[in-house]
Amino acid sequence: GAVVSQHPSRVICKSGTSVKIECRSLDFQATTMFWYRQFPKQSLMLMATSNEGSKATYEQGVEKDKFLINHASLTLSTLTVTSAHPEDSSFYICSARVGAKDGYTFGSGTRLTVV
Amino acid sequence: TQLLEQSPQFLSIQEGENLTVYCNSSSVFSSLQWYRQEPGEGPVLLVTVVTGGEVKKLKRLTFQFGDARKDSSLHITAAQPGDTGLYLCAGVRSNSGYALNFGKGTSLLVTP
Repeated sequence: GAVVSQHPSRVICKSGTSVKIECRSLDFQATTMFWYRQFPKQSLMLMATSNEGSKATYEQGVEKDKFLINHASLTLSTLTVTSAHPEDSSFYICSARVGAKDGYTFGSGTRLTVV
Repeated sequence: TQLLEQSPQFLSIQEGENLTVYCNSSSVFSSLQWYRQEPGEGPVLLVTVVTGGEVKKLKRLTFQFGDARKDSSLHITAAQPGDTGLYLCAGVRSNSGYALNFGKGTSLLVTP
């Protein structure tokens, strides 16, 4: 089946630094990837839709200058959390749509802790 | 905006009991999906329901899609501790690049 590989699985960074999260589609081409954020005991909230070769579409309330998304190839999308602060600590998950019949595959998530 | 309302948000039951989780919306969806998520992992697809009135069974789990394709339910029979987890319903937002929109989730705890 279609697999999305997400790295790193865990990262701890100091406040003010930037962190990059990568999602790679291993055996298919993902023209679109979705980035979600999940706080403890809560559901997944869509942050942005990443399109290969074009600018990402951000959800209302998500700062595009803080959460930089790059989708330069059909198999790689990255999310960079810039100038991270403790309130950015969360679980970040990427997802790709597979096929036309509403099939989706998810990365295993990245636990970001900003200290 | 939370298009999908999921209830209950938390559920703690004993092994052997039955339970039902509801997912409701005022919007019509072409399909709804149910996921289960373990802590620290991505969600795993359980089922996709497509046709209004459809019922799908996955061992002790029964999924139903409402006739009007606005709501869905998940029923678990004789719950086991291994069923513990976060259950999420999700629908496709066709007006937003086909992103999945998730309900708030139901955190289920099944105790022996």
